[in-house]
Amino acid sequence: EVQLVESGGGLIQPGGSLRLSCAASGFTVSSDYMSWVRQAPGKGLEWVSVIYSGGSTYYADSVKGRFTISRDNSKNTLSLQMNSLRPEDTAVYYCARGWSSGLDVWGQGTTVTVSS
Amino acid sequence: QVVLTQSPSASASLGASVRLTCTLSSGHSSYAIAWHQQQPEKGPRYLMKLNNDGSHSKGDGIPDRFSGSSSGAERYLTISSLQSEDEAEYYCQTWTTGIQVFGGGTKLTVL
Repeated sequence: EVQLVESGGGLIQPGGSLRLSCAASGFTVSSDYMSWVRQAPGKGLEWVSVIYSGGSTYYADSVKGRFTISRDNSKNTLSLQMNSLRPEDTAVYYCARGWSSGLDVWGQGTTVTVSS
Repeated sequence: QVVLTQSPSASASLGASVRLTCTLSSGHSSYAIAWHQQQPEKGPRYLMKLNNDGSHSKGDGIPDRFSGSSSGAERYLTISSLQSEDEAEYYCQTWTTGIQVFGGGTKLTVL
């Protein structure tokens, strides 16, 4: 079964750092395009970042320079390193697979709260 | 940059049909999109990819009640024989090199 499971969310103070992980099963992360998408409380979906199968990475302007997407091929996991966190980064973070057919597999999400 | 526009809300009666619309911004009418469903307190669920010619490919396990169609810059999601579990937020999504874009979502209420 194809599945994505996120972890690593929590409560963090503004300016702090957090690392999210996404464990994949049923497919190989390195063979596909993998994204992070977030959803602030009561708001819609916002794409955050992608890593292509070839390794290229892209970021939304709102997180560029602060977030880093990566993958661990040996563990079949996707990660998002989040630095210099701001209150507006508070959201549920989802990992998702796919690109030019849409994001066809989603995780259940992990919650990040940035607050003092 | 491409922008997707969705009506904030829609409603229809149990057992009826409803058509949701996603409009691509000017100059982007050839783009394919994807439709996603998000039930309350759950993560998004992929419904289908919808091409500009109206052809579509659905995700695993998506019922036949869900279908897609296209006209110009508009992309439609039609849900027939509405059930209570169809009450959800529906998002359209598209992509280009290095970026994914989501519409603002349509909240569907089943009366």
